[in-house]
Amino acid sequence: GAVVSQHPSWVICKSGTSVKIECRSLDFQATTMFWYRQFPKQSLMLMATSNEGSKATYEQGVEKDKFLINHASLTLSTLTVTSAHPEDSSFYICSAESAVSSYEQYFGPGTRLTVT
Amino acid sequence: AQSVTQLGSHVSVSEGALVLLRCNYSSSVPPYLFWYVQYPNQGLQLLLKYTSAATLVKGINGFEAEFKKSETSFHLTKPSAHMSDAAEYFCAVSAGGTSYGKLTFGQGTILTVHP
Repeated sequence: GAVVSQHPSWVICKSGTSVKIECRSLDFQATTMFWYRQFPKQSLMLMATSNEGSKATYEQGVEKDKFLINHASLTLSTLTVTSAHPEDSSFYICSAESAVSSYEQYFGPGTRLTVT
Repeated sequence: AQSVTQLGSHVSVSEGALVLLRCNYSSSVPPYLFWYVQYPNQGLQLLLKYTSAATLVKGINGFEAEFKKSETSFHLTKPSAHMSDAAEYFCAVSAGGTSYGKLTFGQGTILTVHP
């Protein structure tokens, strides 16, 4: 139980295009989902917190117009990287918080984005 | 604000030896502390957490960690390493309350277990 999936697992896109990454909680409902970014050999950095049906809350320094987050249902959140540039290349990881399991967070396997 | 420092980006032990992964934290409020493990191509998995109850926390797979406020530490230990313990381990802290889910991670420690 408590599985979180991400799609795609790996994506390459050209500079200037947009890319959408999906995060799904497969067997539980998640009122809150988190998006993290991980640069090579560095730690995970929280980008934003999304709550179902409301606007996402972004951490300081994260461009909300560049990283669009939508949490349209209790099992799905999407991160869209708009007008991607090579410096956006990174590993993006989502997690979903289960209200049933004492607000435990379950992490997805991550999405590797490469912008050429 | 919170921060986490994991001492040693790589730790190597022999099978059967003690595992000790170090984590020090900084927090302006009483912290909630976590250890996660990540196997290749998988999501982070919670090993254990400290949420202001017992200072010695037991987790899955034989791991445990002790919260030491005076030393601002939350080191992860396992008495006897197994080959399957080879993975990357992350220490994380949160402020709790409404910020419980907002985790600040350390840089990670890759554990290698030699036969």
